[in-house]
Amino acid sequence: ILNVEQSPQSLHVQEGDSTNFTCSFPSSNFYALHWYRWETAKSPEALFVMTLNGDEKKKGRISATLNTKEGYSYLYIKGSQPEDSATYLCAFASSGAGSYQLTFGKGTKLSVIP
Amino acid sequence: NAGVTQTPKFRILKIGQSMTLQCTQDMNHNYMYWYRQDPGMGLKLIYYSVGAGITDKGEVPNGYNVSRSTTEDFPLRLELAAPSQTSVYFCASSPRTREGNGYTFGSGTRLTVV
Repeated sequence: ILNVEQSPQSLHVQEGDSTNFTCSFPSSNFYALHWYRWETAKSPEALFVMTLNGDEKKKGRISATLNTKEGYSYLYIKGSQPEDSATYLCAFASSGAGSYQLTFGKGTKLSVIP
Repeated sequence: NAGVTQTPKFRILKIGQSMTLQCTQDMNHNYMYWYRQDPGMGLKLIYYSVGAGITDKGEVPNGYNVSRSTTEDFPLRLELAAPSQTSVYFCASSPRTREGNGYTFGSGTRLTVV
C-alpha cells in the first residue's frame, strides 16, 4: 500500500490571503501525480496531471509544483476567494503495475473566510 | 457530453441484500475505477478495469464484484450487504494516468446498510 500524505489536514484563511498545501509521496517508481478539487456534496474535479520532475502547472489563481526526486508537490492558491473553499486531494501513481491506478491522500480542507 | 453517469444516487439496503451500482461513461476511456469514501479515510480503490473484459482488485475488494463487458459500462455488485459497506461510492474513468486531464468522477452513490 502506497503512502500519500497531505498537510495540513485543514486550514482557514481570510479572503485575499495566499496559501499553499503539501502532498508527499514515495520518491521511487514515480509515474504521475494528480491534484483534484472537491467541493462539498459534489464529485472531485481534476486540476492538474503532473508527470515530470520540476513541472509547474497553473490554472487561474491555482498553481502546482512537482519534485519527484524528494517526493513532494505543492499546491498554491493566490488571493483566496470564498469559492476556493473545498477539499484539495492529491493522488499518486507508481510505475509498473501501479501505473493503472491512483492512490489518493486524505486531502486538505480549505475554508476561506469572507 | 454526459461524462460519467452513476445510479442510483442514494440507496438503503438491509443486511444480506444485494444490489448493483451502475456506471456508464461516454468519453471512450479505457480505464474505469470504483472508489469508496469513508469519513476521514479518503478515497479507497475497490476495483479497476483497463479495458473491456479486464478487471483487477484494488485495495479494498472484499464483498464486491465487477464486470466490464463493454468500454462504456462498469457495474459494481454487492452480493451480501454488510454494515461495513455503508459508504459513498464513486465511479471514475480516465485515459492513462499520465495522459489527459485526470479522472472524471461520477456524482456518487450514498449507500446505507442497516
